[in-house]
Amino acid sequence: GAVVSQHPSRVICKSGTSVKIECRSLDFQATTMFWYRQFPKQSLMLMATSNEGSKATYEQGVEKDKFLINHASLTLSTLTVTSAHPEDSSFYICSAHFGGEAFFGQGTRLTVV
Amino acid sequence: TQLLEQSPQFLSIQEGENLTVYCNSSSVFSSLQWYRQEPGEGPVLLVTVVTGGEVKKLKRLTFQFGDARKDSSLHITAAQPGDTGLYLCAGEPYDYKLSFGAGTTVTVRA
Repeated sequence: GAVVSQHPSRVICKSGTSVKIECRSLDFQATTMFWYRQFPKQSLMLMATSNEGSKATYEQGVEKDKFLINHASLTLSTLTVTSAHPEDSSFYICSAHFGGEAFFGQGTRLTVV
Repeated sequence: TQLLEQSPQFLSIQEGENLTVYCNSSSVFSSLQWYRQEPGEGPVLLVTVVTGGEVKKLKRLTFQFGDARKDSSLHITAAQPGDTGLYLCAGEPYDYKLSFGAGTTVTVRA
């Protein structure tokens, strides 16, 4: 199956700083990638759809200036959490579709202290 | 309101017992997918059901897709501790965006 790689797997940052998370499709091209947020023992909540070469589309209630998305190439999308606060601490997961199936990255555990 | 209603939310059983997880919607889906997610990792696809009434088996896991393609179930026979995890159903109602159920946390005690 297709592989989606996410980096870093864990990050701890200080409140007020920014953190960048990378999502790569390793063996296929993805014009669209998806970013999710997940709280403990809960399901995935779609935050935004990342579109290669154009602006991301954000789900209702997600601040686009807070969660910056850049999809600069067909294999890379980045999510930057700007001016992070403790309430931004969460598990962030990206995905891309290939062959009609969704493949997920390993997730990034963000802790803001 | 979630498009896919998944139940139960939590399930704790003894090794060797059977369990069933349900995924229901008022909407019709062209396909539904089931994922399992372990702590600290991304979801991994278990199966995709496409045809109404379809039954798929994956070792001790049996997946059913309702005739009207609005619901699905996952049945695990003789559960083992390795089956522990978060089970998620998902479908694509539009725009290729996956819509997930709330998830079922399954704990199988040895």
